[in-house]
Parts: sequence; structure tokens; C-alpha cells
Amino acid sequence: EPEVTQTPSHQVTQMGQEVILRCVPISNHLYFYWYRQILGQKVEFLVSFYNNEISEKSEIFDDQFSVERPDGSNFTLKIRSTKLEDSAMYFCASSEERDTEAFFGQGTRLTVV
Amino acid sequence: AQSVTQLGSHVSVSEGALVLLRCNYSSSVPPYLFWYVQYPNQGLQLLLKYTSAATLVKGINGFEAEFKKSETSFHLTKPSAHMRDAAEYFCAVGGYQKVTFGTGTKLQVIP
Repeated sequence: EPEVTQTPSHQVTQMGQEVILRCVPISNHLYFYWYRQILGQKVEFLVSFYNNEISEKSEIFDDQFSVERPDGSNFTLKIRSTKLEDSAMYFCASSEERDTEAFFGQGTRLTVV
Repeated sequence: AQSVTQLGSHVSVSEGALVLLRCNYSSSVPPYLFWYVQYPNQGLQLLLKYTSAATLVKGINGFEAEFKKSETSFHLTKPSAHMRDAAEYFCAVGGYQKVTFGTGTKLQVIP
């Protein structure tokens, strides 16, 4: 069964460093998303991406964050200068159409030290 | 705008007992509704979804949920709890382009 894959599963980075989280969405999907879950809290929407541009973003998604689809298969989330409070599980998701089911990856646990 | 309220951050049931996890939603458009399960240190797994077809939706692992528009509810049930059902359950509402999650309910199953 097709699935969304995320790499790495766990990343540790020093505060102030740039980090790139990678995702391979399901191949025929057109909409891509990033969500974040701080430990013990709910899953929060960060950004949606369609047709090579951001279609919606939350207030969490400030100038430190960026997304990119550098080629036909990858979808990345970059955090330019990580802060301690960026430590969280980051989930990538993709959907075939705008309001159809989103399939989630297994997540990347980011730890900022 | 869309939102989800999950009543009860922790629910404990005995093994073999009925599981009932409550979810109420608010959505300005006809909603898609979901229940996800998250086992410790794992990702999100879709249990079931409502997409305007049958109001009673059956999912994996014996779970089901009923969409009640008049009550704006989408409660999750399972007739008989198993130890392996211990996890955190998230109700979510999706509309245009993003899914809004509830705060989650941790289910504890007591042997």
C-alpha cells in the first residue's frame, strides 16, 4: 500500500542550526502538508502546499519556516535557526485532492538542544 | 472555521468493557471527520473516516463511529476493549486543505 515516508525518524540539532526534514508523499497526490506535535500536546497544522506554492499556513509557520518541493518526489520543511521550542514530532501528510483524506507519515522527532 | 472538542483527556475502561470516546465538532462546511490512533512513540494511524456517505462508519480494529449532525457529534465506540487498544485517540475535522485535531484522549485498558 502506498505510504508517506519521512526521514530521518529522529534528528538532534543544536539551537540556532538549520534543519531540513524530508518527506516523500504518495506519488499521485497533489496536496502536501506539515503538522507538528509538541510532546504531550495536540497535533497542529503548520502549512499546506499545492502547485508549488503555499496555499495556507498557520500562525506557527513564521519566517523561520519554509517548505519546498525540490524535485518530483520530495517535500521538505526547513527551519532556518532552530529554537528549543521547535522540539516536536513533525508529521508530513499528502492528499490526492484538496479535501480528501490526508495520509500521514510516521513523523520525524526533532530535538533541539 | 472548524474545530473539534474531545471530552475527557483520559478514559479508563476494563478489558472487555465498552469503549466510548466523545468528540464534538464545529465546521462551517459539510465536514469530513476522522479518528486517528497514536501508539506510544509512533505516528498517526487512521482508524476511520466519515465523508458524507453512511452515518455509521466502521473502521479498523473493531472501532466504529456515528455521525450525528443534529448533535454535531462523532463519538468513537468499540464493544469490547482489548489491552492493545491502549493508546491516544484523536478526533479530527477536515474541510478545505487542512485537518484540525482535537486535544486527544488517552485510553487506558485495565486488565
